[in-house]
Amino acid sequence: SQQGEEDPQALSIQEGENATMNCSYKTSINNLQWYRQNSGRGLVHLILIRSNEREKHSGRLRVTLDTSKKSSSLLITASRAADTASYFCAPSGGGAQKLVFGQGTRLTINP
Amino acid sequence: EAGVAQSPRYKIIEKRQSVAFWCNPISGHATLYWYQQILGQGPKLLIQFQNNGVVDDSQLPKDRFSAERLKGVDSTLKIQPAKLEDSAVYLCASRSTRHGPNYGYTFGSGTRLTVV
Repeated sequence: SQQGEEDPQALSIQEGENATMNCSYKTSINNLQWYRQNSGRGLVHLILIRSNEREKHSGRLRVTLDTSKKSSSLLITASRAADTASYFCAPSGGGAQKLVFGQGTRLTINP
Repeated sequence: EAGVAQSPRYKIIEKRQSVAFWCNPISGHATLYWYQQILGQGPKLLIQFQNNGVVDDSQLPKDRFSAERLKGVDSTLKIQPAKLEDSAVYLCASRSTRHGPNYGYTFGSGTRLTVV
């Protein structure tokens, strides 16, 4: 099974700044997904990038994927207080289609 | 479309008691997952269903945990007897298989269990 490892474990920035978090994984994938979790809530699917894509945008989110390095990054531009949350990457591959999560990156946006 | 519904939202029980959680996935989603998330950690997969069959339960502590998905729709997860280390948020997620592998999961809000 796949598991993504997020880096850094924690990130604290000022509102309006950009936030970048990274994900590494170990085996081949069909796609890689990013999820957000606000404190005490369930996970929310943010974006999915397929293995044949290199970059994808959704609003203020930009995701890149480098399959040769087995890594991905999530960029949040013009951060807001509401972006404070934990972010998880989930590489997905194989037939079972189960997501295995790492520890996540805890992002704090300071006003 | 309606989201994944879970209940109860919170539960406090004493150790050695039993507890059950309920999940109603998005209509038509064939795949259903139960995750356990201990405070400060990422979600850990407990069991995966495809319709009403178990695909993967390798990380389910079967001496005390059980899960079923009757008729391939709703699912219940039970713990009997509970231990202190079972204190966690239990998340249910569902996924459509009609769109192939490139489709995200939808999670419920979870049930926060405290064992005292």
